Amino acid sequence: AQKVTQAQTEISVVEKEDVTLDCVYETRDTTYYLFWYKQPPSGELVFLIRRNSFDEQNEISGRYSWNFQKSTSSFNFTITASQVVDSAVYFCALYNFNKFYFGSGTKLNVKP
Amino acid sequence: DVKVTQSSRYLVKRTGEKVFLECVQDMDHENMFWYRQDPGLGLRLIYFSYDVKMKEKGDIPEGYSVSREKKERFSLILESASTNQTSMYLCASSLSQNPEGTQYFGPGTRLLVL
Repeated sequence: AQKVTQAQTEISVVEKEDVTLDCVYETRDTTYYLFWYKQPPSGELVFLIRRNSFDEQNEISGRYSWNFQKSTSSFNFTITASQVVDSAVYFCALYNFNKFYFGSGTKLNVKP
Repeated sequence: DVKVTQSSRYLVKRTGEKVFLECVQDMDHENMFWYRQDPGLGLRLIYFSYDVKMKEKGDIPEGYSVSREKKERFSLILESASTNQTSMYLCASSLSQNPEGTQYFGPGTRLLVL
């Protein structure tokens, strides 16, 4: 069975703090893809990043970084020096065999 | 840029009404999807389509049907709306040749059934 767990329902931080959003997944398949999407208050899910199961290299994009560890089945997302515009719901997802499995989302509140 | 549009951002309907939610994508994607999003449940797949006139049930198809007469358009139909169908509905599309399956989403339709 495929499953994605985002244990943090809601996180509140003050601007400029670093914050890590956790994502743990379950799958028995060896080939799969992991995603993070951002959903701002406007509602549209915005694609942030995709990793395949064979590439465990961490990735950094500006203030965003992702840590993929197959040993712990985790794909965590860190925002450095958070900003108010980072306030959104963030979804982690697993994709394989033409199907997406979404986590329940983590709502991030960044206060000025 | 991929553009996925949904016909309405907000809809208010009465129990028993027939409801149509329209989704259009402009990137010639073969695959289109309808999800509903509820607090604490994430996104759940209702129906998807891999080609014109093709449809497949997702995880929660009960109470819904779909139509795909043209490649760019995928409609979700609530035959007889009920209050438990009050939700956020999200449409997405993806390219079938893309093995990693990245889906691009529309802005969502918030449906309230009274």
